[in-house]
Amino acid sequence: SAVISQKPSRDICQRGTSLTIQCQVDSQVTMMFWYRQQPGQSLTLIATANQGSEATYESGFVIDKFPISRPNLTFSTLTVSNMSPEDSSIYLCSVTQGGNEKLFFGSGTQLSVL
Amino acid sequence: QKEVEQDPGPLSVPEGAIVSLNCTYSNSAFQYFMWYRQYSRKGPELLMYTYSSGNKEDGRFTAQVDKSSKYISLFIRDSQPSDSATYLCAMSLYQGAQKLVFGQGTRLTINP
Repeated sequence: SAVISQKPSRDICQRGTSLTIQCQVDSQVTMMFWYRQQPGQSLTLIATANQGSEATYESGFVIDKFPISRPNLTFSTLTVSNMSPEDSSIYLCSVTQGGNEKLFFGSGTQLSVL
Repeated sequence: QKEVEQDPGPLSVPEGAIVSLNCTYSNSAFQYFMWYRQYSRKGPELLMYTYSSGNKEDGRFTAQVDKSSKYISLFIRDSQPSDSATYLCAMSLYQGAQKLVFGQGTRLTINP
């Protein structure tokens, strides 16, 4: 399976600021996704990062709040904009390979907003 | 009602015990079922992947799907302290990994 590196692994941010999370994969992958894991909640899909085009957002998530880039087949970024304490969560990059049947995750970014 | 229900635990058992983890779901159209294991401060890792009803075994792990009851299970035999983690069930309508719906996760501790 692909090796997925996420940076930063954790951060503490002030309300109103923005944080960009990077996801680097060691091989080309078909699809990349961004998930959120809030305390005591299920993993929730934020968006699919599309290479060379705008990301596809799930219901409840918008581009202004979570802009996503995917300039090539191995790299993506997620920005959490104008943060509030409600954005405190783990953000996870995930990818599929081969036949797209299985989803693999990075180690996540633990974000705390004060 | 959530699409996928999973008891968050925590569940604590002695080493060597058989562990049973379960999820129920409401959407009868789900066809693909997965179990992920997540250690503290790590991303989830895929443990088991099954299609439709039936059993699948991999070492000490057995995944069971009962579509008629909309119920899936993961059994861990001869549990080890290294099995201590959060276990997430996930399911999908589609063969691909898109649009997975996850359970809340069950926190499991195996006591030596």
